[in-house]
Amino acid sequence: QITLKESGPTLVKPTQTLTLTCSFSGFSLTTTGVGVGWIRQPPGKALQWLALIYSSDNKWYTPSLKNRLTITKDASKNQVVLMMTNVDPSDTGTYFCAHSHLYPTDFFDHWGHGTHVTVSS
Amino acid sequence: ETVLTQSPGTLSLSPGERATLSCRASQSVSSNFLAWYQQKVGQAPRLLIYDASTRATGIPDRFSGRVSGTDFTLIISRLEPEDFAVYYCYEYGNRPYTFGQGTKLEIK
Repeated sequence: QITLKESGPTLVKPTQTLTLTCSFSGFSLTTTGVGVGWIRQPPGKALQWLALIYSSDNKWYTPSLKNRLTITKDASKNQVVLMMTNVDPSDTGTYFCAHSHLYPTDFFDHWGHGTHVTVSS
Repeated sequence: ETVLTQSPGTLSLSPGERATLSCRASQSVSSNFLAWYQQKVGQAPRLLIYDASTRATGIPDRFSGRVSGTDFTLIISRLEPEDFAVYYCYEYGNRPYTFGQGTKLEIK
């Protein structure tokens, strides 16, 4: 049974760095073709794909945020971390992590419940 | 980056009716790698359809997906009360992957 859980601060000040952790179970990030991604959703708005990391350590970012995002993995701890630098109020929202099905059909098939982040001074 | 345009923005229907949701891609989607998700308020998205037309595990057969070129369609044959939610399409054929802006399915 695959489960994922996001954790991190609920309140961050503008210009600070946001660090979110996805802790998972039921799969290994050492398995070829497996990935974990991050998706966010501003209040009342649509889902936005942010980043994806594979067991190979290949990483992909959404172009509009590429300069501010870093995704890393620690397969031994079953964790994936997303860092976002220089946050501002528009980064407020719910952040989800999700397991991606085996590449190349790497749609997200299991999701965490999400963690809400507010950016405010 | 592929842009996915969903229509309509809001669809108002009654239980028992048929719902047709559209997702148009700005370019060809490799291998028709497109999924549909359902999201209810306060919940994470739930996978309904992947590879354009394959139902995910446990999804009722009233949900179906179709594709014609760059036009993808989610059909709900007979709406149940629990189907009223927001639906997103998601493209995973061309990196970076993208979501559509969503269609809200509301009770008429």
